[in-house]
Amino acid sequence: GQNIDQPTEMTATEGAIVQINCTYQTSGFNGLFWYQQHAGEAPTFLSYNVLDGLEEKGRFSSFLSRSKGYSYLLLKELQMKDSASYLCAVTDSNYQLIWGAGTKLIIKP
Amino acid sequence: DAGVTQSPTHLIKTRGQHVTLRCSPISGHKSVSWYQQVLGQGPQFIFQYYEKEERGRGNFPDRFSARQFPNYSSELNVNALLLGDSALYLCASSTPGEPDTQYFGPGTRLTVL
Repeated sequence: GQNIDQPTEMTATEGAIVQINCTYQTSGFNGLFWYQQHAGEAPTFLSYNVLDGLEEKGRFSSFLSRSKGYSYLLLKELQMKDSASYLCAVTDSNYQLIWGAGTKLIIKP
Repeated sequence: DAGVTQSPTHLIKTRGQHVTLRCSPISGHKSVSWYQQVLGQGPQFIFQYYEKEERGRGNFPDRFSARQFPNYSSELNVNALLLGDSALYLCASSTPGEPDTQYFGPGTRLTVL
């Protein structure tokens, strides 16, 4: 079957750095997405990786290792507004998005 | 530019009833996908339509159906509602390509009593 694993919840301090991991087992791979979802709102696009390596976009970076079926989202200089769920999603061989359950990130002052 | 819009925002129905949810994609986007999201879980794929044709279907019963109109807007229909259908229904639009990034609407919160 297809499976995406992320930690259920993480806690970090304002101003610090946090890394959210995602491992996947899917039928084929055509890219990996990270989305941010605030409580009661729709997911919003953060990043996309299709090749191995690090993609940096401001305070957020995303890393992919296809051979290991592994990705992480790195958030730097954490702000209180970063408190949200972070969803990892993989496009499979049929170009359908398979979603993880999300990681709830709690930022403390 | 307007983003993806969905209506209604909230809906309360009783078991056995039927519901129709509506979605208008971002201007220029020809693909619409529907997702069901239960609290504490990630979105579950229901349907994708592109150019009015069904492009993909998730593991949902036949009570769920959808269609896309010539203006690329879409409807999701659910018949014979069950309590377990209570969820946030998300619509996303995209322009297929590399990457096929999904842009989500605000969702419709469906409660089945």
